[in-house]
Amino acid sequence: DQQVKQNSPSLSVQEGRISILNCDYTNSMFDYFLWYKKYPAEGPTFLISISSIKDKNEDGRFTVFLNKSAKHLSLHIVPSQPGDSAVYFCAASALNTGNQFYFGTGTSLTVIP
Amino acid sequence: GAGVSQTPSNKVTEKGKYVELRCDPISGHTALYWYRQSLGQGPEFLIYFQGTGAADDSGLPNDRFFAVRPEGSVSTLKIQRTERGDSAVYLCASSRDRSTEAFFGQGTRLTVV
Repeated sequence: DQQVKQNSPSLSVQEGRISILNCDYTNSMFDYFLWYKKYPAEGPTFLISISSIKDKNEDGRFTVFLNKSAKHLSLHIVPSQPGDSAVYFCAASALNTGNQFYFGTGTSLTVIP
Repeated sequence: GAGVSQTPSNKVTEKGKYVELRCDPISGHTALYWYRQSLGQGPEFLIYFQGTGAADDSGLPNDRFFAVRPEGSVSTLKIQRTERGDSAVYLCASSRDRSTEAFFGQGTRLTVV
């Protein structure tokens, strides 16, 4: 049973515009969320995280929003750059009860120059 | 090195053979994870070490899979009597502790023929 879902397998955005990647989760015990970026033939690279006590975390061009009531989080990239083209994975964990990160299936972002 | 290192980067083995996959975590990281990623999927949890002990091995698919971390640093994932269904990218990650983001290696692509 997939506890973290990324329903959009792919997304194309024009350079300079905003990219919005979405993620939904089902386990209400999840309290720590992360986004990873993955290029082909490389391991996932940590991008940004958010704990459940916050609803927003920002780091440069990357902002993660968390809506706990909807069990939804999103990653905003502004402005999008061609180098942002990669597969983005959402991950979640329940720090008090579990030891693993649960990953979504990924969204492939293409930023068109 | 500064990051998580995995060796080999690629491994081709015959069905029924034994393989070992090695992970060198970031120095000082006490938490170490093994994940497995199949094509089109997100990473799936296999096992988590806190120090030398396997704190959670609930993700290991069966008793052909085993992992060790004898000195609390380098870890080895061992797969006995490999099957074609074991073919995947095996990812190792480490973190300072369980409540912080995990950093991934580049993975070992295992192909069982």
